[in-house]
Amino acid sequence: NAGVTQTPKFQVLKTGQSMTLQCAQDMNHNSMYWYRQDPGMGLRLIYYSASEGTTDKGEVPNGYNVSRLNKREFSLRLESAAPSQTSVYFCASSAEVSRAVWPQHFGDGTRLSIL
Amino acid sequence: AQKVTQAQTEISVVEKEDVTLDCVYETRDTTYYLFWYKQPPSGELVFLIRRNSFDEQNEISGRYSWNFQKSTSSFNFTITASQVVDSAVYFCALGRDDKIIFGKGTRLHILP
Repeated sequence: NAGVTQTPKFQVLKTGQSMTLQCAQDMNHNSMYWYRQDPGMGLRLIYYSASEGTTDKGEVPNGYNVSRLNKREFSLRLESAAPSQTSVYFCASSAEVSRAVWPQHFGDGTRLSIL
Repeated sequence: AQKVTQAQTEISVVEKEDVTLDCVYETRDTTYYLFWYKQPPSGELVFLIRRNSFDEQNEISGRYSWNFQKSTSSFNFTITASQVVDSAVYFCALGRDDKIIFGKGTRLHILP
């Protein structure tokens, strides 16, 4: 019972490098989300995808791009990493069929440090 | 504007005590959703409950219960007979169709 799988779990980048965080879910969920969690800030939505082929900006989309490759996979890309993007990133999914944002199942998180 | 306030930053109680985590929200929407999530020390996030604004019935699930009061814009979470495994950060969240806002969380320590 994998649920939501994120890779990698940890990553250290230098300023200006790029990388892609991978996320896959095996629950046949329609909606997928990317959040970042910073100390004292709670979780903030970066992007979400209500269905395959659609993506929408969340609260803090600047500096990120996403791809909903298929129903299972939703990747998050940092094109030119900045120290302000140091955070813990969570991917989530839900069975929600509308555009309602409702993260139900979360991955274990990716701890990303930008030097 | 929407806002979620969890005024209790950190709470410590002795095992077997009851504890209530407060959540107060602000919204102008008439239709909205309220959520609670748990984040144990291992770091994963666990969805606990979702409640829509038209359903003010209290909910009980084992040792967990939720009290939704529209009159005071509150959605409080009570753990009865707390256990060490309940130690975690608990997040309250407020959502409408296209957006969900999380509170900053309450860190709960259950002392053996």
